[in-house]
Amino acid sequence: SYVLTQPPSVSVAPGKTARITCGGNNIGSKSVHWYQQKPGQAPVLVIYYDSDRPSGIPERFSGSNSGNTATLTISRVEAGDEADYYCQVWDSSSDHQVFGTGTKVTVL
Amino acid sequence: QITLKESGPTLVKPTQTLTLTCTFSGFSLSTSGVGVGWIRQPPGKALEWLALIYWDDDKRYSPSLKSRLTITKDTSKNQVVLTMTNMDPVDTATYYCAHTPRASTVTDFDYWGQGTLVTVSS
Repeated sequence: SYVLTQPPSVSVAPGKTARITCGGNNIGSKSVHWYQQKPGQAPVLVIYYDSDRPSGIPERFSGSNSGNTATLTISRVEAGDEADYYCQVWDSSSDHQVFGTGTKVTVL
Repeated sequence: QITLKESGPTLVKPTQTLTLTCTFSGFSLSTSGVGVGWIRQPPGKALEWLALIYWDDDKRYSPSLKSRLTITKDTSKNQVVLTMTNMDPVDTATYYCAHTPRASTVTDFDYWGQGTLVTVSS
């Protein structure tokens, strides 16, 4: 089955840029969605179709996808961005949704 | 405004069948392009997709759990029901239902319920 691999953790200082990767075989050919999940809360969609932002999501959140890696970038990181982040794709070969392993973002 | 809420037992015994209901508002599952999915998350672990049902009654299941899952919809009640048979302690998790806005399997989940914690223990 299709596997999405994320780094377990990313640490970033306030005001700096955080980059969260999501690795998968030829993921650039798929559409990637990203979710933010704060402790005790349900996930929130922050990026869909690789780089689109839902209404209400700050422009500081952006996404890209190419080759074997998709990336969620958080610019000018704030303390409130501290959360777990998950990528998600549809794997057509096995006909099911796949979530990544998740990345915990810590704001120093 | 779209809202979803999960309901069901908080504790089930091993081998029992779990039945969860997702009650939603702000959209209709008879509208073309709309779907509702179920996702779970064991304590401290990652999200895992379980099942998805579309407005046209198209259904998709996680390959690893397909034999244990059934997803149905009741359009008149604005509800989606997930049943999972032969529950095991490893199925202990928070179960979420979520709305999908697109008439495609290449879809995101843009609205989520608050989740319900189900513990499997004798």
